[in-house]
Amino acid sequence: SQQGEEDPQALSIQEGENATMNCSYKTSINNLQWYRQNSGRGLVHLILIRSNEREKHSGRLRVTLDTSKKSSSLLITASRAADTASYFCATVREGGYNKLIFGAGTRLAVHP
Amino acid sequence: SQTIHQWPATLVQPVGSPLSLECTVEGTSNPNLYWYRQAAGRGLQLLFYSVGIGQISSEVPQNLSASRPQDRQFILSSKKLLLSDSGFYLCAWSGSTNEKLFFGSGTQLSVL
Repeated sequence: SQQGEEDPQALSIQEGENATMNCSYKTSINNLQWYRQNSGRGLVHLILIRSNEREKHSGRLRVTLDTSKKSSSLLITASRAADTASYFCATVREGGYNKLIFGAGTRLAVHP
Repeated sequence: SQTIHQWPATLVQPVGSPLSLECTVEGTSNPNLYWYRQAAGRGLQLLFYSVGIGQISSEVPQNLSASRPQDRQFILSSKKLLLSDSGFYLCAWSGSTNEKLFFGSGTQLSVL
């Protein structure tokens, strides 16, 4: 069963704008991860945030985690056409060793 | 550096035929290995994961099986393919429990 649910399912923006994607999950987690997938390709890991962390940055990416609301957000600042891809959140449940469960993803389109 | 190889990239098979997809990892030892399936435009479904040679955990009862005959080799098999087995199959590895995954480039399987 899916643990994470991304919102929105699709997002269309112009280059230079910020893109925000949200993820909600159901059970207590060990960590939450965000991945990117270009069409027809494998997934690439973007960032991992642990359950005791609230915010993390990596380049133009900012991830927040609110364990009380069981939600996370991924912010991409100053988006570029090359950011066009699907973005997935994935969670490892507390005690759920080795089982990374993915949501359905957000399809982001950045227009030049 | 570590690399993951997955082949073939595309495969078209008739219903009832057998299947064997192979995944190998280089540059690391004793990786955790995973098989995921992705339906078109959807999220990833965890099929199998393995923490060591001969140790396979199945997540979803289905027409598929997995084997790990060597430390860095993971094989997904079926004796008789069904139409519903069509999808994008992704192999992945991680270096330790609950950490990020590194994905292969995927196999697009079409069962006709």
